[in-house]
Amino acid sequence: DAKTTQPNSMESNEEEPVHLPCNHSTISGTDYIHWYRQLPSQGPEYVIHGLTSNVNNRMASLAIAEDRKSSTLILHRATLRDAAVYYCILGWNYGQNFVFGPGTRLSVLP
Amino acid sequence: EAGVTQFPSHSVIEKGQTVTLRCDPISGHDNLYWYRRVMGKEIKFLLHFVKESKQDESGMPNNRFLAERTGGTYSTLKVQPAELEDSGVYFCASSQGPGQYSGNTIYFGEGSWLTVV
Repeated sequence: DAKTTQPNSMESNEEEPVHLPCNHSTISGTDYIHWYRQLPSQGPEYVIHGLTSNVNNRMASLAIAEDRKSSTLILHRATLRDAAVYYCILGWNYGQNFVFGPGTRLSVLP
Repeated sequence: EAGVTQFPSHSVIEKGQTVTLRCDPISGHDNLYWYRRVMGKEIKFLLHFVKESKQDESGMPNNRFLAERTGGTYSTLKVQPAELEDSGVYFCASSQGPGQYSGNTIYFGEGSWLTVV
């Protein structure tokens, strides 16, 4: 199973950009890179996903390295509501499950 | 549009009793997944339904756990008999397409919190 590596925790100030890194050196050519986040006492929530090109949506941006061995989730202006655990997950085969690691716990300071 | 709904949200039962968790996926989603997080551990996959069929049940911990999906709609996860180590939060999720391979989004419910005492 392809694995991802993320920092255990990060801190940001409110209204500043946040860059959450993820390393996935064993990614296969068909793996999508998914980001989910989990707010306290809630289920995981979809943030963004991509394959090769950078992606933008209303929540965040995903920057994918050219060799695809790493990616960065970018929150352009962190809010207190963005405090959560962020998971970087790879999809590698049809129908297989998500493998959650410990993720990155993001704290946002007012 | 309603999201993935789970019932009950919280349950406290005694060791040896039975608990049944229910999940209603997003309407039209053929794929339904169960995950759980037990105390101090990471979220782990339990099983995956495609419509009413079990596609992958490799994550089911033992035969005390039984999952069903009647008519390809809602799903139930029964734990019988419950043990202390079963305490945790059980998440249900659903998706429209094949899942990860095509990059389709998986939507999670808020979870059913189970405490076995």
